[in-house]
Amino acid sequence: NAGVTQTPKFQVLKTGQSMTLQCAQDMNHEYMSWYRQDPGMGLRLIHYSVGAGITDQGEVPNGYNVSRSTTEDFPLRLLSAAPSQTSVYFCAVQSPGVTEAFFGQGTRLTVV
Amino acid sequence: SQKIEQNSEALNIQEGKTATLTCNYTNYSPAYLQWYRQDPGRGPVFLLLIRENEKEKRKERLKVTFDTTLKQSLFHITASQPADSATYLCAPYNQGGKLIFGQGTELSVKP
Repeated sequence: NAGVTQTPKFQVLKTGQSMTLQCAQDMNHEYMSWYRQDPGMGLRLIHYSVGAGITDQGEVPNGYNVSRSTTEDFPLRLLSAAPSQTSVYFCAVQSPGVTEAFFGQGTRLTVV
Repeated sequence: SQKIEQNSEALNIQEGKTATLTCNYTNYSPAYLQWYRQDPGRGPVFLLLIRENEKEKRKERLKVTFDTTLKQSLFHITASQPADSATYLCAPYNQGGKLIFGQGTELSVKP
């Protein structure tokens, strides 16, 4: 089992370009989340989903879109990349209840 | 809004000593609190979870306390080793899928 897989691992974008960060899981966990991590800022929640067809905003949702059409996938879309979106992005999955979260290995995004 | 505060300054200790990390939260009442470890370039890894009705939880050299009156959790690593050097993150949680983290405390254990 792969667990939580994020692609790509690294990406460089030009300002204004769009792209989708992929997150796929084979753990059959209902909850999925996207975080960004900047130096000194810890993990900040962008969007999360409690199941297929259900998404909600986190702490820093502006500039990002998500959708959840299947249990396995939770893509994060940047419609018009900005330098402020340069960061490391982590996807996490979790089951309902008193459970731990499992993280992907991260995507390092640079917007120039 | 919910706020979580961890020691922002790095914690430097000598091998063999006990490391104590603090997590304070305001404006909500979590049913439980999780602690994670993060190594450079990697995603966080779960360590321990403590519920609001538990005062203390232990796992090997790790100990976590949870004081709902003070709105604080303390995370202890006894007999620390250089391999314990990492960033430690706390996450007070109320279920529902919205898992928010503190900014983390970087621990450095010197031999």
